[in-house]
Amino acid sequence: EIVMAQSPATLSVSPGEGATLSCRASQSIGSNLAWYQQKPGQPPTFLIYDASTRATGIPARFSGSGSGTDFTLTISSLQSEDFAVYYCQHYNKWPLTFGGGTKVEI
Amino acid sequence: QGQLMQSGPEVKKPGASVTVSCKASGYTFNSYGISWVRQAPGQGLEWMGWVATYNGDTKYAQKVQGRVTMTTDTSTSTVYMEVRSLRSDDTAVYYCARNRVHGGPLDFWGQGTLVTVSS
Repeated sequence: EIVMAQSPATLSVSPGEGATLSCRASQSIGSNLAWYQQKPGQPPTFLIYDASTRATGIPARFSGSGSGTDFTLTISSLQSEDFAVYYCQHYNKWPLTFGGGTKVEI
Repeated sequence: QGQLMQSGPEVKKPGASVTVSCKASGYTFNSYGISWVRQAPGQGLEWMGWVATYNGDTKYAQKVQGRVTMTTDTSTSTVYMEVRSLRSDDTAVYYCARNRVHGGPLDFWGQGTLVTVSS
C-alpha cells in the first residue's frame, strides 16, 4: 500500500500568518491527492482534490500544489476557524490511505 | 448537497459483532460509492473499505479483511458495515463518507458513530 507521510506533526502559527503543510507519498500518485480539515468532535471536511482544486465553498486562502510524491497545502492569512488538524489522502489506487495529520495550533 | 445519517453509539463486549448503518439522502444513491473510515481516540483517520452502491462490489483494507463486511440496500439508500470478532482496539468513531467519483476523494461525511468495545 502507499504510505502517506505528513510534516510537521504540529505547526504553531499566529492568526494572520501563513502556514505550509507537507505531504509525501511513498510512490508516485500523480495528482490523485485530497486534503481534509478536522476540528475536535466533528467529521472531516473536504478541502482540496486533484492536488490543487478547491472543493465547493472552500475559501481562496486554501491552496494545494504538487504532483508525483510531494504535495503542499498552503493557508494564507490564518483565521481563527482554521486552527484544526489537516489530513492528506491519496486515491491513486486501492487501498486508499491517509497521512497521519498536521495539527495547526496557535 | 447530500447528507449521510449514521446510526447511534454502540457498546459491545470483546468477541461480539456490531453493525453500523449509513442512510443517504439528497443525491442519487447508486451513482456514488461509499467508504468507511474510522478514528481511534486521539488518533488519525484509517480507511477501512469501500462499497459500490450500484452493484455491491467491495474493497477492504488488509488490516480488517475477513472481519468486516460492507453491504448496500438500494431500496432504502442505506449502506451497512458489520465488524465481527471485536477487540478493544476496534474502539473508535466510525464514519461513512461518499466517494466523489469511483475510488475518489471523500466529498462529504456522516456524523460518525462511536463504537466502544469493553468487557
